[in-house]
Amino acid sequence: GNSVTQMEGPVTLSEEAFLTINCTYTATGYPSLFWYVQYPGEGLQLLLKATKADDKGSNKGFEATYRKETTSFHLEKGSVQVSDSAVYFCALSAPSGSGNNRKLIWGLGTSLAVNP
Amino acid sequence: KAGVTQTPRYLIKTRGQQVTLSCSPISGHRSVSWYQQTPGQGLQFLFEYFSETQRNKGNFPGRFSGRQFSNSRSEMNVSTLELGDSALYLCASKAGGQANTGELFFGEGSRLTVL
Repeated sequence: GNSVTQMEGPVTLSEEAFLTINCTYTATGYPSLFWYVQYPGEGLQLLLKATKADDKGSNKGFEATYRKETTSFHLEKGSVQVSDSAVYFCALSAPSGSGNNRKLIWGLGTSLAVNP
Repeated sequence: KAGVTQTPRYLIKTRGQQVTLSCSPISGHRSVSWYQQTPGQGLQFLFEYFSETQRNKGNFPGRFSGRQFSNSRSEMNVSTLELGDSALYLCASKAGGQANTGELFFGEGSRLTVL
């Protein structure tokens, strides 16, 4: 079946440090891959996505590359800021049932705390 | 384009009561999903509605129910509240048809506290 595994947190970094949050997946076919972010007290919002192999999603200095050969979609940022403190969720979208129905499969989330 | 709107944002109930939460999706989105988020369990899928029909369902007891109206607005109801139902309830909508990439658009959530 389809599944997403992401590194456990919490992750604590100093400002300007390099960030990597690992995400690997298992899926049949060709899923789309997403990173969502949840800032304190808010709902989730899409951070970036990639819809096919070798695509690189990027936003707000974050990047992730869809690696089919390693079934990975690791999130990276070269220099984190205090404002990046949040929970990050990796997810994949795979066909579910008939027609164009797709279902999101979620990782458990990784909490990031950035200290000044 | 207005985002997903959830009401109420915060509410406090006591054990045994029931609660109804509302969600208005992005205009044109026909799919609405509900999630429960707690510190210990993470993001748990409750159910998804599409064109007024429940399309997917998570592993929650029958006390949790939902519905969707013809204008795509959705409500979820929890009856006989328990302390463990305290959580952030998130609603998300997505585009249908050829525009459906699986991407979900979330509201800010309804935070329920059960005393």
